Amino acid sequence: DIVMTQSPLSLPVTPGEPASISCRSSQSLLYSNGNNYLDWYLLKPGQSPQLLIYLGSNRASGVPDRFSGSGSGTDFTLKISRVEAGDVGLYYCMQALQSPPMYTFGQGTKLEI
Amino acid sequence: EVHLVESGGGLVKPGGSLRLSCAASGFTLSNYSMNWVRQAPGKGLEWVSLISSSSRYIYYADSVKGRFTISRDNAKNSLYLQMNSLRAGDTAVYYCARESAVRYNGMDVWGQGTKVTVSS
Repeated sequence: DIVMTQSPLSLPVTPGEPASISCRSSQSLLYSNGNNYLDWYLLKPGQSPQLLIYLGSNRASGVPDRFSGSGSGTDFTLKISRVEAGDVGLYYCMQALQSPPMYTFGQGTKLEI
Repeated sequence: EVHLVESGGGLVKPGGSLRLSCAASGFTLSNYSMNWVRQAPGKGLEWVSLISSSSRYIYYADSVKGRFTISRDNAKNSLYLQMNSLRAGDTAVYYCARESAVRYNGMDVWGQGTKVTVSS
């Protein structure tokens, strides 16, 4: 199984400042079609998870452009250019490459103001 | 507006069974693969199961294989998760989430979740 490792697990930030979360996979997530099968999700307190980034770098509909995803192969990064108070929550990376499908999430990174 | 609404959670004894439902509205369910994802108390997200748009392909996490059964009824715009031989470790909030059947673009719509508690 593909293991996902996030760092840091806790990220204290100051509003207006940038933030960055790293995600590493135990196997390359780059498929032969050129896509990296890596998503980012945010779980805000009291809410259901929401998709932020899919296929490594594609922002989901309605996601502010303060959020960006980058990386390829086994190393990925989620960046928030200017953190807002409403960005607090648990951020998860998830691989969607394994076949037959067995999606796996990282441990989660708690972003707090 | 696109919505997914889970139901069927509750308190059940170890070894018991429960059937979760996920009702879809605002989109054509048959165009999407569907997932169940759970979050145990104090733990992270865990993918549970996936069913393809036509039910042809079905996959499970090792932790639930042989005990859980995913199914869907596209005519009723509904997804289900039959959970048997429940264990304390299955205690979690269970979410249904859709995934495009045509071109992968993540799990872009999630329900609000239904809570399952397995305890004697």
